[in-house]
Amino acid sequence: EAGVTQFPSHSVIEKGQTVTLRCDPISGHDNLYWYRRVMGKEIKFLLHFVKESKQDESGMPNNRFLAERTGGTYSTLKVQPAELEDSGVYFCASSQETLYNEQFFGPGTRLTVL
Amino acid sequence: AQSVTQPDIHITVSEGASLELRCNYSYGATPYLFWYVQSPGQGLQLLLKYFSGDTLVQGIKGFEAEFKRSQSSFNLRKPSVHWSDAAEYFCAVGAGYNFNKFYFGSGTKLNVKP
Repeated sequence: EAGVTQFPSHSVIEKGQTVTLRCDPISGHDNLYWYRRVMGKEIKFLLHFVKESKQDESGMPNNRFLAERTGGTYSTLKVQPAELEDSGVYFCASSQETLYNEQFFGPGTRLTVL
Repeated sequence: AQSVTQPDIHITVSEGASLELRCNYSYGATPYLFWYVQSPGQGLQLLLKYFSGDTLVQGIKGFEAEFKRSQSSFNLRKPSVHWSDAAEYFCAVGAGYNFNKFYFGSGTKLNVKP
């Protein structure tokens, strides 16, 4: 069974540019999550999809971040325009739609904004 | 508010020595607790989890953790460390809808000396 995959693995962009990160969850997982880790800090929750609906987006930093999950399969996280403080590692995770289920994490996308 | 503290940023142990990684949490109800490990270039892998029942939890790779409600702690232990255990370890508490919103600590990097 394929795990959670993320693309790209690394992205280096200039301040003001746009970047789109993609996450493919494990097949059949209705729950999809985005997290972010800024250098040396804790991994912070960004948002949670159940199928194509946003269940909880309380962790999204501001309106420069837009997450979508069309059709309830893969998800994209767009940052537009990117700022220096957006640099970090963006993790995606997925889980089945039951209580107390394990979240399976992808390897992350390292975003560097110059 | 929910939070997780991992007081040790870096730990170095000799191969074959015992290991204990500390984790303290803040959560108003019965916590749903996890330990994840991240090896270089990999996603986070679940080591073990606790929700209820026996307070000593066994995980993969020979790890165990003990939940102590009185101390708000969930420390990770291993009796004999292997060189392949060198990685970064994250403690997390699940909260929110179906306990799916994870709050992570800032991680502990483990180095293993030969």
